[in-house]
Amino acid sequence: DTGVSQDPRHKITKRGQNVTFRCDPISEHNRLYWYRQTLGQGPEFLTYFQNEAQLEKSRLLSDRFSAERPKGSFSTLEIQRTEQGDSAMYLCASSFPRAGVSTDTQYFGPGTRLTVL
Amino acid sequence: SQQGEEDPQALSIQEGENATMNCSYKTSINNLQWYRQNSGRGLVHLILIRSNEREKHSGRLRVTLDTSKKSSSLLITASRAADTASYFCATALSYNTDKLIFGTGTRLQVFP
Repeated sequence: DTGVSQDPRHKITKRGQNVTFRCDPISEHNRLYWYRQTLGQGPEFLTYFQNEAQLEKSRLLSDRFSAERPKGSFSTLEIQRTEQGDSAMYLCASSFPRAGVSTDTQYFGPGTRLTVL
Repeated sequence: SQQGEEDPQALSIQEGENATMNCSYKTSINNLQWYRQNSGRGLVHLILIRSNEREKHSGRLRVTLDTSKKSSSLLITASRAADTASYFCATALSYNTDKLIFGTGTRLQVFP
């Protein structure tokens, strides 16, 4: 199966540590998205890329968060100086909008569950 | 903040019954999508309906969209225990942005 993959699936860290997550999108998809989901809530948009360009960032993405997609394929999301409030599921999705279609189906990975102690 | 609100927050039914979930949103949209999420896992795309469409079907799923009321509904017919999950609606707001704004979700429990 060549769906969206995320690594690691679970991460436990101590407050103040840095963490990095990786997302590998579906191979032909040029758009890649990051969302965050806390318990009992729907996912919240963080940022998205078209190829290697980061096109939009949410205000939720504080200066402790940085996302990259250097070669337009996989992406990394880094959180510096983690706080307990960063504990959440971090979801990655990808899409390949068809010509003339601005938005299309986003396919999600299994997520990385972060616990900050 | 969440764009959509879903109703009900939780729904319990018996196998074979139909389940209806509603989603309301606040601003104009380009399309609306429904996703399913099993406990603690990623989201699975179910169906996408564009703003110029009123109804779509996919297997046991039927989605309606009423842009004048800014609402959508998801009907699952002949439910099965395997349909037990959380269901989210998500809106893509306009032509120029690609982010999805998710609702709060409906937790569906289907009893055998």
